[in-house]
Amino acid sequence: AQRVTQPEKLLSVFKGAPVELKCNYSYSGSPELFWYVQYSRQRLQLLLRHISRESIKGFTADLNKGETSFHLKKPFAQEEDSAMYYCALSNAGGTSYGKLTFGQGTILTVHP
Amino acid sequence: NAGVTQTPKFRVLKTGQSMTLLCAQDMNHEYMYWYRQDPGMGLRLIHYSVGEGTTAKGEVPDGYNVSRLKKQNFLLGLESAAPSQTSVYFCASSSRLAGVPLQYFGPGTRLTVT
Repeated sequence: AQRVTQPEKLLSVFKGAPVELKCNYSYSGSPELFWYVQYSRQRLQLLLRHISRESIKGFTADLNKGETSFHLKKPFAQEEDSAMYYCALSNAGGTSYGKLTFGQGTILTVHP
Repeated sequence: NAGVTQTPKFRVLKTGQSMTLLCAQDMNHEYMYWYRQDPGMGLRLIHYSVGEGTTAKGEVPDGYNVSRLKKQNFLLGLESAAPSQTSVYFCASSSRLAGVPLQYFGPGTRLTVT
């Protein structure tokens, strides 16, 4: 069974400090990993996905298959980054129908 | 494009009452999903649909039923609401044609069962 674990329920940093949100997964096949963000009382939005290897809003994430991790990083946090962050996994296979398995979420608070 | 919309935004039910949540998408997506969001649990898949007239169970289907009579709509029903179904419900859709289906989410429905 596939599983996504986000060990930190809450994470607080000060503005300008580096931030890292941890995500570990267990999956026997070839996974697709995503980070979704949910700002206060808003819908979930895709932040980034590992196959595109892009940087969105200064965030990056690298898939480490050896450590089965997909940690989200930003070198200088901003107050507007305060939100709930979800790591999610999808089976890359054709029968997955795009279903996502989500982690428990991490609430990031960036203090001024 | 409105994307994914959900009706209603808020609802309070008494135990035993029934209701239907409506999800609509205007992106011509084949796949649609219903999730519930609970503190410390993340989002959990309730039911999903891979096309009109087809539905399947997700991780936490008990107490819910779904229907997909039209491609653009996915309904989630609670036949006899229980306090344990107090949650925020999110609908999402994705395209079968995408290499890696990306899910687009609705704004959520906040349901309280007393």
